[in-house]
Amino acid sequence: DAGITQSPRHKVTETGTPVTLRCHQTENHRYMYWYRQDPGHGLRLIHYSYGVKDTDKGEVSDGYSVSRSKTEDFLLTLESATSSQTSVYFCAIGLAGGPGEQFFGPGTRLTVL
Amino acid sequence: GENVEQHPSTLSVQEGDSAVIKCTYSDSASNYFPWYKQELGKRPQLIIDIRSNVGEKKDQRIAVTLNKTAKHFSLHITETQPEDSAVYFCAASTLGGSQGNLIFGKGTKLSVKP
Repeated sequence: DAGITQSPRHKVTETGTPVTLRCHQTENHRYMYWYRQDPGHGLRLIHYSYGVKDTDKGEVSDGYSVSRSKTEDFLLTLESATSSQTSVYFCAIGLAGGPGEQFFGPGTRLTVL
Repeated sequence: GENVEQHPSTLSVQEGDSAVIKCTYSDSASNYFPWYKQELGKRPQLIIDIRSNVGEKKDQRIAVTLNKTAKHFSLHITETQPEDSAVYFCAASTLGGSQGNLIFGKGTKLSVKP
């Protein structure tokens, strides 16, 4: 495996609370991605990063922010969680040094009550 | 932007039969087409990919074909086995472009009956 972990793996929180999910990689890959997966929608890109402090929005970025202060860590923050953000969140790394083949982390199941 | 349509959404086959999943894409600049397999409760895993400079690629029982003119690509699984049961996702991307992110189809749930 390419050495990617996500934490926490499961989280239950209440509407209105802030939540931060962490993605950690051990192999110095430049590109990192955050997706959410919902039944009937497949995998949808939230935000991505192409280097330290370099991030951009994906197709479903509203309500989410990201930060990347170190190559190995990519954080996803829900500033004020809503029930519509209940989902499984996957982090991925780009293996080819750019867009292309991606390797996914194990996922975080988030439930917002 | 790119849009990827995937069909069918569910597919049930008998063990030993073949399975075919089809995807269409909208952006003619797309040049990289991976397929991911996701077992229940697990992460998506790349099983095969194809680039636009080839029309077909095989790896044991799985193959992918690409028709650039029609902008569609397909996954073929032969001699299906129960362990092939999973959700399969196609995706499209433009390698080398400034917006080369993967755009995924919505998935096909394949069930292989023993």
